[in-house]
Amino acid sequence: AQTVTQSQPEMSVQEAETVTLSCTYDTSESDYYLFWYKQPPSRQMILVIRQEAYKQQNATENRFSVNFQKAAKSFSLKISDSQLGDAAMYFCAYRSLYYTGTASKLTFGTGTRLQVTL
Amino acid sequence: DGGITQSPKYLFRKEGQNVTLSCEQNLNHDAMYWYRQDPGQGLRLIYYSQIVNDFQKGDIAEGYSVSREKKESFPLTVTSAQKNPTAFYLCASSITGDNHEQYFGPGTRLTVT
Repeated sequence: AQTVTQSQPEMSVQEAETVTLSCTYDTSESDYYLFWYKQPPSRQMILVIRQEAYKQQNATENRFSVNFQKAAKSFSLKISDSQLGDAAMYFCAYRSLYYTGTASKLTFGTGTRLQVTL
Repeated sequence: DGGITQSPKYLFRKEGQNVTLSCEQNLNHDAMYWYRQDPGQGLRLIYYSQIVNDFQKGDIAEGYSVSREKKESFPLTVTSAQKNPTAFYLCASSITGDNHEQYFGPGTRLTVT
């Protein structure tokens, strides 16, 4: 079974600064997907960024980028130019390449609460 | 607007009562999921459905039941057999196939006293 670990329960960043959230995972599969989801106070889960394990290039979405280290099973999220609206819980999630049945589920970490200060 | 709706946002029940949480999607997605979220934990899969009249138990299915009579609807019943039903419940859906993300509803907070 796959596991996802987020070792930082809380992080804080000043507005306009950069912050990196850590995530490690364990799997015996060679191909899979990794995600970062944002959960603001409204509790709606919002996809931030996705990485396919077979792609060596790190994914980027505007101010959000990842550092994907497949051998180390590490998947960190970097938020540049942090904004007040970035304050939320951030969850790292793993999904098997197999897309049918319960194997298509997302396996989540426990989350990192990000505070953004003025 | 396409999306997933869950109702109600907050639900209160007495212990021993069954309660059904609604999930409707108009995204024409085949796959639907129910996840449970507890404080300090990530989301855990309760049930999964790939097509109408078919569903599979997830990691924590005990005390829950589902139905999938229509493609758009995937209601979750929390039965009295569920030992700790108070939690936040999230419904999600996706296109069945490789490389498709799951879209989440706004969730229902269930409190059982």
